[in-house]
Amino acid sequence: DADVTQTPRNRITKTGKRIMLECSQTKGHDRMYWYRQDPGLGLRLIYYSFDVKDINKGEISDGYSVSRQAQAKFSLSLESAIPNQTALYFCATSDPGTELHFGNGTRLTVT
Amino acid sequence: AQSVTQPDIHITVSEGASLELRCNYSYGATPYLFWYVQSPGQGLQLLLKYFSGDTLVQGIKGFEAEFKRSQSSFNLRKPSVHWSDAAEYFCAVGDPFSSNTGKLIFGQGTTLQVKP
Repeated sequence: DADVTQTPRNRITKTGKRIMLECSQTKGHDRMYWYRQDPGLGLRLIYYSFDVKDINKGEISDGYSVSRQAQAKFSLSLESAIPNQTALYFCATSDPGTELHFGNGTRLTVT
Repeated sequence: AQSVTQPDIHITVSEGASLELRCNYSYGATPYLFWYVQSPGQGLQLLLKYFSGDTLVQGIKGFEAEFKRSQSSFNLRKPSVHWSDAAEYFCAVGDPFSSNTGKLIFGQGTTLQVKP
């Protein structure tokens, strides 16, 4: 399902580096989300956006920032990456009252 | 605090056998309930959801789940497992008083292994 596309699929970076993960969607959904997956912890919400001017923090927003460049684009930035941000990151979209549609994820390793 | 617990981290079943994955939640009201499946290297795909109504919910790929209010549970079942069902399964809950059904609390996940 290429409706929600994440780039890159894999990324290795060093501690202290700035990194951006990108997400684009063709589903026409207004709502976009960034989740983080860690083994044994499931998925946790980082940020979500209802539209270009509406950005909201999730459960674990510290150390992250986001930008909603357009209805179809939502990027996640790590201003200064640290090793405990090593995880699998998912972008997802939804309409009001409907389920999430996920991208295939970005595996980030911070060394 | 709101939470979702999937008591089984790993489950192994033989192909053709029945399957039940457990999900228990702690929430102030009956939440929206979801089951997602994640195949290796893939994103999560919705199997089924419960918002209200009939407590037995049918999903894709032959899965069903039953909501039991008295037990705060939403267990996932399949009568006959196929090798392609090997994956990680996530239970999730959402706020029933909000249209933001994308803001979910996920369980820890259950990894299903299928023996030939």
